[in-house]
Amino acid sequence: KQEVTQIPAALSVPEGENLVLNCSFTDSAIYNLQWFRQDPGKGLTSLLLIQSSQREQTSGRLNASLDKSSGRSTLYIAASQPGDSATYLCAFAPPNAGNMLTFGGGTRLMVKP
Amino acid sequence: DAGVIQSPRHEVTEMGQEVTLRCKPISGHDYLFWYRQTMMRGLELLIYFNNNVPIDDSGMPEDRFSAKMPNASFSTLKIQPSEPRDSAVYFCASTLGANYGYTFGSGTRLTVV
Repeated sequence: KQEVTQIPAALSVPEGENLVLNCSFTDSAIYNLQWFRQDPGKGLTSLLLIQSSQREQTSGRLNASLDKSSGRSTLYIAASQPGDSATYLCAFAPPNAGNMLTFGGGTRLMVKP
Repeated sequence: DAGVIQSPRHEVTEMGQEVTLRCKPISGHDYLFWYRQTMMRGLELLIYFNNNVPIDDSGMPEDRFSAKMPNASFSTLKIQPSEPRDSAVYFCASTLGANYGYTFGSGTRLTVV
């Protein structure tokens, strides 16, 4: 069974820092990897999608990479801002589980002004 | 597109009552998923549909839970009878398929007292 682990579980940084959120998975066979953001009491907002043939995707200050051989993905946030404070979740769609997404536990990020 | 639409946003009900949650996926998306989120367990997949047909319901906790998708634009998740341990946020999501991103609704926060 695919397992997804996100480290750290919580992170607090001062505004302006560059930071990296980590996601690891046990099965390297995946369809795609997706990073989501969830604000308290809200739904999930898709940030970046990396398809299985890709290695990274960028959107503004966000960059996500995928290394299937090592079973890892990272989300890089440049020049963090207080508005980045949220929970960040990674999720995989393994080919042997239909199209179901398997989620990590998330990283709660707090960016202090 | 208005995205994935869920209703109601909040539901408070008494133990033993029937609860029906509703979801309208994005038009043209062939896959629809129901997830449940709690602090203890994070995001759990309950059931998903492909072309209105239930594909995997192994995540449905027990017979009190049932889901239907009578057409491509509507799905329901029903709990009968509801119990306090069913209190959670229930999300609906849809996607075109394996190599596409998933879009989540805003969720229904269910409280069973």
